[in-house]
Formats: sequence, C-alpha cells, structure tokens
Amino acid sequence: QKEVEQNSGPLSVPEGAIASLNCTYSDRGSQSFFWYRQYSGKSPELIMFIYSNGDKEDGRFTAQLNKASQYVSLLIRDSQPSDSATYLCAVKYSSASKIIFGSGTRLSIRP
Amino acid sequence: GAGVSQSPSNKVTEKGKDVELRCDPISGHTALYWYRQSLGQGLEFLIYFQGNSAPDKSGLPSDRFSAERTGGSVSTLTIQRTQQEDSAVYLCASRQTGMDQPQHFGDGTRLSIL
Repeated sequence: QKEVEQNSGPLSVPEGAIASLNCTYSDRGSQSFFWYRQYSGKSPELIMFIYSNGDKEDGRFTAQLNKASQYVSLLIRDSQPSDSATYLCAVKYSSASKIIFGSGTRLSIRP
Repeated sequence: GAGVSQSPSNKVTEKGKDVELRCDPISGHTALYWYRQSLGQGLEFLIYFQGNSAPDKSGLPSDRFSAERTGGSVSTLTIQRTQQEDSAVYLCASRQTGMDQPQHFGDGTRLSIL
C-alpha cells in the first residue's frame, strides 16, 4: 500500500469552474500536509500547507484536512488555464521528518 | 541568489561511471532532502539530513547510492557504477525546522545514462 495516494488524472475542468484534488495517506499520526504545483520540466513550488483539521483558505485556493478519514484535499476556485499543472500532495510523518510525496494529479483547465 | 542551488543542471555519462550531484541549500536551513523523479512520475524519497546526520536513508535504491552533508550545508549525492535505470531528475530540497515549514526545491539535476 502506497503511503500517499492521489488519482493520477488527468482531471479536466472548464475555465472558471472549481477544481477538486484529493489525497489520502496511510499514517494516522501524520503531522503536516503540503500541496505543491509542478509545471512540466520545472521543480515543485509550494501552494499551501495545513496541519489542523478543517479548511484553510488562501486566495483562490482552499486546503481541507480530515485526520479522522486520513484525507486532504485542495480546491481551486475560478480555475484558470495557468492552473494546468501536476499537483503533488506531500505528508510529513510523525516518526521522522521525512516528507513523502504522492505521485501527483495532472490537472487540465480547458478554455 | 537565496534559493536552493543544484549542480550540474544536466549530466550525461556512460553506463558504469560514477557521478556526483551537488546541492547547496538555503542558508540556515537545517533539513535537506534528496528525491528522484523519473519522467511522468512522482517524487521518490531518497534520503533526509538533519544537520550533518542522516536519520532516514531508507529510500536509497541500492548500495551504489550514497550521500553526505558537511558543515550542515552542502550535500553530495554519489551514484557509483551508474545504470540506465538511474536516469532521472534528482531534486534537492531544504527546509527550516518546524512542523509547518515547507520545503524549497532546487531546479534539479537531469541525469542521463547512455
């Protein structure tokens, strides 16, 4: 069983709609959760982090964490073509400070 | 610049040769991570440093892979007797200590084994 799981996609969303990206993790003691965006041929760049249950909003982005169900999601409102990228979920585990990434979800925003 | 610096940006070498990849983290960042990313794949964890010690090297694929960090700063990832399956982008990231501190990534080294 993979430690961090994401649907690989591609997820196609019309411009202006809400894109919903999901991630599940296996270690119930996980502490911190990060969403990164990666454009083709580029390094990952941080979008948001969350470590408390509930929602955290930053501009058009909202991260949602549910530790009881062991999932974290990212909502992108008013999707733009520039949001087309691969979104990586990362989890910091309780036993050590290593950070494990999911395989990423490819998001495509169609005009 | 103030970001994570990796060198070389590209490396092409013949199968069987040894390679060294370098990472210069952001000043003051105590934690340093190495990942490998094959084409179209996610990030595969290799090793993590806290200061100069490596509490977790569980991701190193084989004993051909080794890494060290000196002075709590620069890290070198060494691959001995390279194989074609070692071809990938090798990414380095650093972060400050703290639960909510994110990783900052370098631009990576694209390694191609002929």
